[in-house]
Amino acid sequence: AQSVTQLDSQVPVFEEAPVELRCNYSSSVSVYLFWYVQYPNQGLQLLLKYLSGSTLVKGINGFEAEFNKSQTSFHLRKPSVHISDTAEYFCASRADSNYQLIWGAGTKLIIKP
Amino acid sequence: NAGVTQTPKFQVLKTGQSMTLQCAQDMNHEYMSWYRQDPGMGLRLIHYSVGAGITDQGEVPNGYNVSRSTTEDFPLRLLSAAPSQTSVYFCASSLAGGPDTQYFGPGTRLTVL
Repeated sequence: AQSVTQLDSQVPVFEEAPVELRCNYSSSVSVYLFWYVQYPNQGLQLLLKYLSGSTLVKGINGFEAEFNKSQTSFHLRKPSVHISDTAEYFCASRADSNYQLIWGAGTKLIIKP
Repeated sequence: NAGVTQTPKFQVLKTGQSMTLQCAQDMNHEYMSWYRQDPGMGLRLIHYSVGAGITDQGEVPNGYNVSRSTTEDFPLRLLSAAPSQTSVYFCASSLAGGPDTQYFGPGTRLTVL
């Protein structure tokens, strides 16, 4: 069965510092991987997705993620965060064979001034 | 385009009451889904639909009904509300059930007393 684990429930970081939000997945089949962001009191929106090809995926707002098949990871990174990046970030996976997205529990990014 | 709209934004129910959460999209998307979001649990799929007239159960369908009579609308019905259904509900749509971006509504915050 598929599962997605986000290893940190909260990540505090100073403004302009780099950040990495960790995501590990488990699946016995090929998967597609996604990162979504949820700003306070809003719905979710797509940051980036990995379907195939290059393992480094660039998304909106300066975020990028690297697909690592051997480590079954899809960590999200940003070289310099801003106060506007304060949000909850969700990693999700989807097997090639079905429609359902499997979601991680989310990581709250807390930016310290 | 309005995207995905949900009504109401907030709702308080008493145990045993029934109600319908409305969801509509104007992007001609085939795939629509309902999630509930609870703290520390990510998003859990309640029901989904791959087109008008076709619905299926997700991970947590008990206590909820859906129908899809048109491409645009996908209402979620709570048959007899219970305190365990207190949650934030999100509707999402995508062009197809594949690895396409899911577009989320703003959510409905439901409290069952």
